[in-house]
Amino acid sequence: RKEVEQDPGPFNVPEGATVAFNCTYSNSASQSFFWYRQDCRKEPKLLMSVYSSGNEDGRFTAQLNRASQYISLLIRDSKLSDSATYLCVVNAGTYKYIFGTGTRLKVLA
Amino acid sequence: DTGVSQDPRHKITKRGQNVTFRCDPISEHNRLYWYRQTLGQGPEFLTYFQNEAQLEKSRLLSDRFSAERPKGSFSTLEIQRTEQGDSAMYLCASSIGAGHSYEQYFGPGTRLTVT
Repeated sequence: RKEVEQDPGPFNVPEGATVAFNCTYSNSASQSFFWYRQDCRKEPKLLMSVYSSGNEDGRFTAQLNRASQYISLLIRDSKLSDSATYLCVVNAGTYKYIFGTGTRLKVLA
Repeated sequence: DTGVSQDPRHKITKRGQNVTFRCDPISEHNRLYWYRQTLGQGPEFLTYFQNEAQLEKSRLLSDRFSAERPKGSFSTLEIQRTEQGDSAMYLCASSIGAGHSYEQYFGPGTRLTVT
């Protein structure tokens, strides 16, 4: 079993739709969780950290479920510019960041 | 504010040649990481520095790979006797590591093509 698993997609959604991604992790000692956005042939950019209480930033909401060991990302009112790969990242120590393979999102006009 | 920078952005080399990449982290960040990313995969951890000390190396990092961070500022990653399998994007990231600030910020990467 991979340490961090994501559905690779692609998720094809119309503009304005709401879309959600899940990411599961295997290490129960994981401490910090993040979502990154990566555009084609570019570097990952931090989208948001994921806190135990859940957090929201505009149209984006992230949730953490420690009991079931998954994190989620919800995007409301999808824009064409949201088309990208979304990487789930789990930190289980000072240097140990494990990246998922990413979920591709395509927002269609 | 300057983010993480990497140089060169692209490198094409012939098999068997040595290459060196440079990373300049965000100035107040004491933690620096190197990753390798291939198409369709997430970044894979290669090595980690805290200040000038290299504290961890992945098993992915064969003896052809070496990294340094003299004086705890910029870092270099050298690949000796390159192989076609080394073709990938090499990403550098830095973090401040204070308290619970584990957020990493990435540079634009160096895309290596070995012919």
